[in-house]
Amino acid sequence: EAGVVQSPRYKIIEKKQPVAFWCNPISGHNTLYWYRQNLGQGPELLIRYENEEAVDDSQLPKDRFSAERLKGVDSTLKIQPAELGDSAVYLCASSLGGNNEKLFFGSGTQLSVL
Amino acid sequence: LAKTTQPISMDSYEGQEVNITCSHNNIATNDYITWYQQFPSQGPRFIIQGYKTKVTNEVASLFIPADRKSSTLSLPRVSLSDTAVYYCLVGAFGGGFKTIFGAGTRLFVKA
Repeated sequence: EAGVVQSPRYKIIEKKQPVAFWCNPISGHNTLYWYRQNLGQGPELLIRYENEEAVDDSQLPKDRFSAERLKGVDSTLKIQPAELGDSAVYLCASSLGGNNEKLFFGSGTQLSVL
Repeated sequence: LAKTTQPISMDSYEGQEVNITCSHNNIATNDYITWYQQFPSQGPRFIIQGYKTKVTNEVASLFIPADRKSSTLSLPRVSLSDTAVYYCLVGAFGGGFKTIFGAGTRLFVKA
């Protein structure tokens, strides 16, 4: 069974530029999460989707971050414009949802903003 | 949301049993306890989950006392490849299980 797929694996951009991350969850997983992980810290939840609906985006900096999950499958996380402090690893995870909250994570996208 | 407290780091040697304790004094009745493992350059990986008493799988054991205010992840006979960060999470299912990670415990296994 294929795991959670994320791309790109690495991204280097200059500040004020836009950037987008893509995630393909495990087939059949209704719940999708985006996390941000700073160096030496645990992952921080940005947004959680139940199918195509964002049910928890309270931690998403909405002035520059946006996300979408069209048709309740793949998801894209965008930052526009990027700031130096956005340098981090962006992780996508999926789960069956409901009463099964065992998360499966992708390998993440490491973003460096110069 | 129940806050968790774990040691920042631990050292061990190959072949030893490692026990990592997590404190969660304000755990709620509906909360479960879940542990994840993270290697460098990878996303966290589910290890084990429990509600009370003891849970064991092929990777680890999870001990939860009756008051549930703490839990202990036990890794039997660790190897160098068990060097990783281990996260303890507490939360309830349904209605929005907020999977919130703390800083985790960095385990170093030495030869």
